[in-house]
Parts: sequence; structure tokens; C-alpha cells
Amino acid sequence: GQNIDQPTEMTATEGAIVQINCTYQTSGFNGLFWYQQHAGEAPTFLSYNVLDGLEEKGRFSSFLSRSKGYSYLLLKELQMKDSASYLCALMDSNYQLIWGAGTKLIIKP
Amino acid sequence: DGGITQSPKYLFRKEGQNVTLSCEQNLNHDAMYWYRQDPGQGLRLIYYSQIVNDFQKGDIAEGYSVSREKKESFPLTVTSAQKNPTAFYLCAGDNEQFFGPGTRLTVL
Repeated sequence: GQNIDQPTEMTATEGAIVQINCTYQTSGFNGLFWYQQHAGEAPTFLSYNVLDGLEEKGRFSSFLSRSKGYSYLLLKELQMKDSASYLCALMDSNYQLIWGAGTKLIIKP
Repeated sequence: DGGITQSPKYLFRKEGQNVTLSCEQNLNHDAMYWYRQDPGQGLRLIYYSQIVNDFQKGDIAEGYSVSREKKESFPLTVTSAQKNPTAFYLCAGDNEQFFGPGTRLTVL
């Protein structure tokens, strides 16, 4: 079967760094996505990893280890506007997305 | 502007009524998707369409219906058979899932 796990909630301080982890189990893999979702709004695409390693995009980076079934999203220089839910999604062998429940990130001044 | 549009943003209906949510795109995406999101849960796939005049059931298709008569349009009907229709409904295009703004449906 397929399964995705990520923490329900995390808290961090403005200006700091936070790492949001996502672990998964799947029989077929075509990539892992991260999305940001502000309350009451639609998710917006952040990153896509299909090969092992770190992808950096400004203040946000995403890491993938396929052998460990593990990904993380790293947010640097946190800003108050980064308060949101972060969704991890796995693309399976049928190119369908399997979604995690999301991690609510709370940024404190 | 290009993008995926959903209307209305908020929708209220009485129990027992069918309601149709619109999703339009001008991005020339072949694939379109409908998801439902409930508080504290991940997105769940209702229906998807990879090409005009064809669509497939997702994980929670019961109580819903769709059509794909045009590439640009993928409307979702929430029927009276759907037991818990109150939710946030999201339409997406392309395999990278670019989303419309969503429709929050409340059934009274």
C-alpha cells in the first residue's frame, strides 16, 4: 500500500530555520511534491524532487532520499508570511498524487 | 490572465439539492482533477480526466458526477447522494497540480 506521514504541527521563530519532514511508503514512485497552503486558500506548488539530493530555490529547499522513503522541506530566514500548512504529496506509478495531511507551521515573532 | 478559475468562492445549499461547481482553465491542460479537503486531512481525489470526453473515478467518487465535454471545462456535481458534502473543493490542472482558488460548499 501507500502511506505518507508528516508532523501535524510545528512552531518556529521568525528569522530561524525549520525543517519539515515527510516519510512515505509506496510500491511505485514518480516524484515527491511540496506545496504551501495558507488558511482558506488553494495549495501552491513549491518543489518537485524525483532524484535523490537537495534542490534549492531561494529560501526554500527540498531534499529526497528514495532508499529511505524520506523527504524534507527546509525553510530559511523565516518570515511571518511563512505561517501556513505545508503539504507533502507522492506521485505514484499511475502518476496520481497521494497527499499527506499537511504540517501546520506557526511562526512566532 | 491565464489560470484555473472556480466559482463561486462560497456556496450554500439546502440538504437534498444537487449543486454544480464550475472549473475552467485556459492553460491548455489535458489533465484536470477534482479534490475534496476536510479540516485536518489531506486532499482526496474525487474524479480526474486525462482527455476530453473521458474521466475516471478517484478514491471518493460516490455521490459525485463530472463531465468533460470541452478541454477548458470540468464541472463537478455534488448530488444529494453525497452523505457529507460540506467541504472545500479544489480543481487542479496538469500533472503538477496547479490549483484553482477553490469553492467552499456548505450544505445546510
